[in-house]
Amino acid sequence: TQLLEQSPQFLSIQEGENLTVYCNSSSVFSSLQWYRQEPGEGPVLLVTVVTGGEVKKLKRLTFQFGDARKDSSLHITAAQPGDTGLYLCAGAGQNFVFGPGTRLSVLP
Amino acid sequence: KAGVTQTPRYLIKTRGQQVTLSCSPISGHRSVSWYQQTPGQGLQFLFEYFSETQRNKGNFPGRFSGRQFSNSRSEMNVSTLELGDSALYLCASSLALELGEQYFGPGTRLTVT
Repeated sequence: TQLLEQSPQFLSIQEGENLTVYCNSSSVFSSLQWYRQEPGEGPVLLVTVVTGGEVKKLKRLTFQFGDARKDSSLHITAAQPGDTGLYLCAGAGQNFVFGPGTRLSVLP
Repeated sequence: KAGVTQTPRYLIKTRGQQVTLSCSPISGHRSVSWYQQTPGQGLQFLFEYFSETQRNKGNFPGRFSGRQFSNSRSEMNVSTLELGDSALYLCASSLALELGEQYFGPGTRLTVT
């Protein structure tokens, strides 16, 4: 069974700080997605990474896929209160699995 | 292009009843997946339908079932509701699940009393 772990589970930071959240697995995925979910809403797709070592940037967000396609990281530069939410990673492989999420709170 | 829609948004049922939830995917998407989200268990995969056929199924009891129609709209049914079925039920559409990119609806918040 493919599983994804995310760390940290919770993160509370001040506006303007940088942060990195991690998504790890012992399994190889053909692609990995990052989503952000706000309370009472469905997850919103942020990015898909496919190639090992791939780096994608979305404004202040930088996503990296590990060389072995087993892990990924999300780095946010100069976090803003609007970045607050639950960040989920998900992997497509034998099945489609979600990590438990990192709950981020950015305080003004 | 219209997004994924789910109806109803909120639902309150009592134990033992059954419920049907509906999902309309993005136009052109043939894959519809259903997920249960709870604070303790996170997002758990229920099942995926592609062109009216169930292709993948998660580890849920037979009380949870679904179907997909020829227009790709999907319904999910839960029979003999239990208190533990209280959750946010999310529907996601994609061109194909194995491609990875899924687009979620706003969810149906089910409360079982």
